[in-house]
Amino acid sequence: AQTVTQSQPEMSVQEAETVTLSCTYDTSENNYYLFWYKQPPSRQMILVIRQEAYKQQNATENRFSVNFQKAAKSFSLKISDSQLGDTAMYFCAFRHTLYSGGGADGLTFGKGTHLIIQP
Amino acid sequence: KAGVTQTPRYLIKTRGQQVTLSCSPISGHRSVSWYQQTPGQGLQFLFEYFSETQRNKGNFPGRFSGRQFSNSRSEMNVSTLELGDSALYLCASSLRDGANYGYTFGSGTRLTVV
Repeated sequence: AQTVTQSQPEMSVQEAETVTLSCTYDTSENNYYLFWYKQPPSRQMILVIRQEAYKQQNATENRFSVNFQKAAKSFSLKISDSQLGDTAMYFCAFRHTLYSGGGADGLTFGKGTHLIIQP
Repeated sequence: KAGVTQTPRYLIKTRGQQVTLSCSPISGHRSVSWYQQTPGQGLQFLFEYFSETQRNKGNFPGRFSGRQFSNSRSEMNVSTLELGDSALYLCASSLRDGANYGYTFGSGTRLTVV
């Protein structure tokens, strides 16, 4: 079974700084998807960014970008120009594709990183 | 358009009772999956439904069950509640395959078992 590890339980940075959240995963599959989700105090999980394993190019969404290292099974999230509204729990998640032979299981989440943006 | 709607938002039940949680997906979404979130175990996959069929199930006891209706609305049921079932239950909907099309989550149902 696949596992997802987030080694930083909590991080705190000043507003406008850049912060990187780390995530490593373990799988024997070659085709899969990786996600970063944000969960603010409102509880709703919000998709931040998504990466397809077969794509070499790192995904970016405005101030959010990833550093995807497939061989190292690493998927870190970089937040540039951090804002107070970025304060939240951040979860890294993994999912097989339906056609990878790994089964149509759901998302496997890491334990999360609590990111605090200080004014 | 409306997001994923979960009802109720909060629920308090007594040990041994059963509970039913509801999830209405985004209009047009045919896949619904359920997750349990606790401080100790984190987020764990419960099951996923597509077109009224359970496509996969996580590692939970048989007390946890679910179903999906023809309008894609889904319910999950927990029978013989235990204190450890206290958790935030999140529902996520997707157009078809969440990996390809992305998952949209609801705000969850907070279940407290006393």
